[in-house]
This record gives sequence, structure tokens and C-alpha cells, in this order.
Amino acid sequence: NAGVTQTPKFQVLKTGQSMTLQCAQDMNHEYMSWYRQDPGMGLRLIHYSVGAGITDQGEVPNGYNVSRSTTEDFPLRLLSAAPSQTSVYFCASSYGTSGYNEQFFGPGTRLTVL
Amino acid sequence: SQQGEEDPQALSIQEGENATMNCSYKTSINNLQWYRQNSGRGLVHLILIRSNEREKHSGRLRVTLDTSKKSSSLLITASRAADTASYFCATDDNQGGKLIFGQGTELSVKP
Repeated sequence: NAGVTQTPKFQVLKTGQSMTLQCAQDMNHEYMSWYRQDPGMGLRLIHYSVGAGITDQGEVPNGYNVSRSTTEDFPLRLLSAAPSQTSVYFCASSYGTSGYNEQFFGPGTRLTVL
Repeated sequence: SQQGEEDPQALSIQEGENATMNCSYKTSINNLQWYRQNSGRGLVHLILIRSNEREKHSGRLRVTLDTSKKSSSLLITASRAADTASYFCATDDNQGGKLIFGQGTELSVKP
């Protein structure tokens, strides 16, 4: 199993550009999440999904959009990139609700917005 | 908002010594998890302890949970240079079950 994969690994954007961060898992997990990690802030939840067709907001959802059309994929869209969105983004999946189950993390996408 | 806070923020020890990291949280929980993150990598799950458990072991790891003090500790015994990483505690939000992470402890184990 590949586990959780994320693409791209690195990305540089200009302010105002849009892009999609890809996340896929092959473990048939229902629960998937997107986090951002900033120095001194730990990981903060952006959006999450409890199954195909169901998404909800986390702690810092503004400026991001998600959809979940299949169990395997959970892309994160930046609508109009801002320098404040410079961060490392992690996708994670778990068999059930994240607070009750081990989460499997992808390797991360390092995003710089100029 | 952050639920868990780790202490210390950074810890430097010699190989073979024990490393203890602490986590405090604010509201009641159902579970607490510990994760490790090597530099430039994703997080890896170490252990999950439920609110009705007081202690749990996994190899060289020992986790304790004191719900009355709203705190947990992670002990790594006989540390190795390969244990150098950041360690995060995470708790469920006791509502929808989302996981909330602390800021982490950066552990450096010197050979």
C-alpha cells in the first residue's frame, strides 16, 4: 500500500493565483483531513471529510475549498493565494473519526506564496 | 484553538538517557494520542490512550494519562539518536471527535 500520498511536494505561487493540492489514500479510510503546520503553531485543521460527499470546516477554513467525490481522493483548493497561506500542508486519513483512531499522514506539501 | 500544550518546547539529552515530555489540555477528552514528526516528514502515530486508561506501553515508550490533572506524559527510555524528532500530543475535541494538536516538543538526542 502506498498509504497517503500528496502532490506536489513543493509549490511556489504568486499572490492571487489558485491551485489544488492533491491527496489520495489507498486504505479505504472514510475519514480524511487537511492540516496546515506553521512554526510554533502546531497543526491546525482546515477541512475534513467523514466520507464521500460529506465535508465540513475545521479551525482555519477561510481561503480554502474541498470536495470529496470518491473515498480515495480529497483535494484542497486555494481559491486566491495570499502570503498568509505560506505553510506546510498535511493530508491525513483514518479508519474512523480522527479523535478516536490513529491517523495516517502524507509527506506534506510545502507552499510558498509570494 | 489549541487544546494541548507540550512542555518543554525543546529538550536536549544524551543517547541512553530517558526523555520525558508533558502535555496539558483544557477540556475533558475521550482519547489522547502522541505523534512523532521527523524533520521534513509527515507525522507518525505512536500511541493512543483512552480516558479510562492510566498508562500504556509500546516498546521503549510509556504514556501516562491523569484526567484529574488534564495532563499526559510521554517517556522514551534509553533514547537513541534516531529518536531526534518533534513529538506532538493530540486530543479529541469531545464534540465531533476532531483531533486537536498541541505545539510539540522538539527532542534532540546527541550521540
